Formats: sequence, structure tokens, C-alpha cells
Amino acid sequence: QQQVKQSPQSLIVQKGGISIINCAYENTAFDYFPWYQQFPGKGPALLIAIRPDVSEKKEGRFTISFNKSAKQFSLHIMDSQPGDSATYFCAARWGGSYIPTFGRGTSLIVHP
Amino acid sequence: DAEITQSPRHKITETGRQVTLACHQTWNHNNMFWYRQDLGHGLRLIHYSYGVHDTNKGEVSDGYSVSRSNTEDLPLTLESAASSQTSVYFCASSDPNRPTGELFFGEGSRLTVL
Repeated sequence: QQQVKQSPQSLIVQKGGISIINCAYENTAFDYFPWYQQFPGKGPALLIAIRPDVSEKKEGRFTISFNKSAKQFSLHIMDSQPGDSATYFCAARWGGSYIPTFGRGTSLIVHP
Repeated sequence: DAEITQSPRHKITETGRQVTLACHQTWNHNNMFWYRQDLGHGLRLIHYSYGVHDTNKGEVSDGYSVSRSNTEDLPLTLESAASSQTSVYFCASSDPNRPTGELFFGEGSRLTVL
């Protein structure tokens, strides 16, 4: 049973466009929602994270939008750049666990 | 700087052979994890450890084993490699005292089983 569903599996965006990746979760006990970014040949690294007490968190061009009632959260990358080309994983974790549940990842390609 | 290193970065082996992938972290983190990454499946947890002599099975543990004799190392062993274990393997660690529980990943070990 996939507890965190991520879409789309792949995404192609033109430079300067907006990239949007969506995730949905099932377990209402989840209380921490990180996004990891993985460049080719590298391990994933934490990009940005949100807790459910806020609806939005912004760090530079990256924004997480969170809808608690719908059990959905999304990553928006504004003014997408070729350097943003990477695989993005959403994840969810509850406070009693050290182990996040990952989505299956989205491969983002930003064309120059 | 503290870091997490994996070795070897690339390995080709034959079906039935035993393979060990090394993972070493210098953060002194109690939590360590092994994931495999496959196209369409994302990151799947193989084994994890919350401290010395503690090991636990993840969702895809069959055919794999780990041991934790010290804080810094969590080697992953494939007792008898199978073609289905061709994958990229990532080790990660985290500090249980950090509220975010951020995972710090190594750069991966690409294993090919022929």
C-alpha cells in the first residue's frame, strides 16, 4: 500500500516556467512533510519541509503548499532553471518515527 | 566536515556471489538506513539501525543483511546476489535528537548482478 502518492512521474518545463509536483498522503498521523532533491549521480538531499500547522512555506524559488483537509501537498518551483533539473521526492513522517515514507519521485527536466 | 561515504561506488558481480557494500558516517548519528533506488519504485527501505547492535528489517529486506558493531558503520551484505538486486543503493543517517529527522544520504553504490 502506497502511503504517499506522487505525481507526475516525469515533468518537462521550459526555462522560466513553473514546475509543480503533487503529493497525496493517507495517514493522518503524519506531521512532517519534507521534499528531497537528487541530482544525477548523487544522493538525495533535503530541499525544503513543512509542518501541517502552516499552509505554505517559501524558500527562494521553492514553495510548498499544504492542504491538510485534502491530505495533499505540492512543490512549486518558480522561474525554473536548467540547474533545477533533478529528481524530486516528497516524503511524510510522523513524530514517533525516524523513518519517512517517500513518494516514488518525479524526474524534472528544465529545458534552456 | 562530517560526511557519509559509500564504497564501492560501482560494483559488477555474478549471480550467487556474496557482496558487501560499505557505509561510513562521521556525524556520530545513531540512526542509519539502507535504501535501494529503482526506476518507478523510488526509494525503498532495506534495513535500518537505531544504534550499535540494533538492526531492523525494512520493506524489501529479503536477501539482504546488516550488522552494526559501531556507531560509524552499517555494511550491507547480499548473501547470494541475484539479478533482481541490480540497483543503486543509498546509505543514509540521521540524528534522533533533531526534530526534523533530516536524512543525510551518501552518493550511492551502483551494483550490477550478471
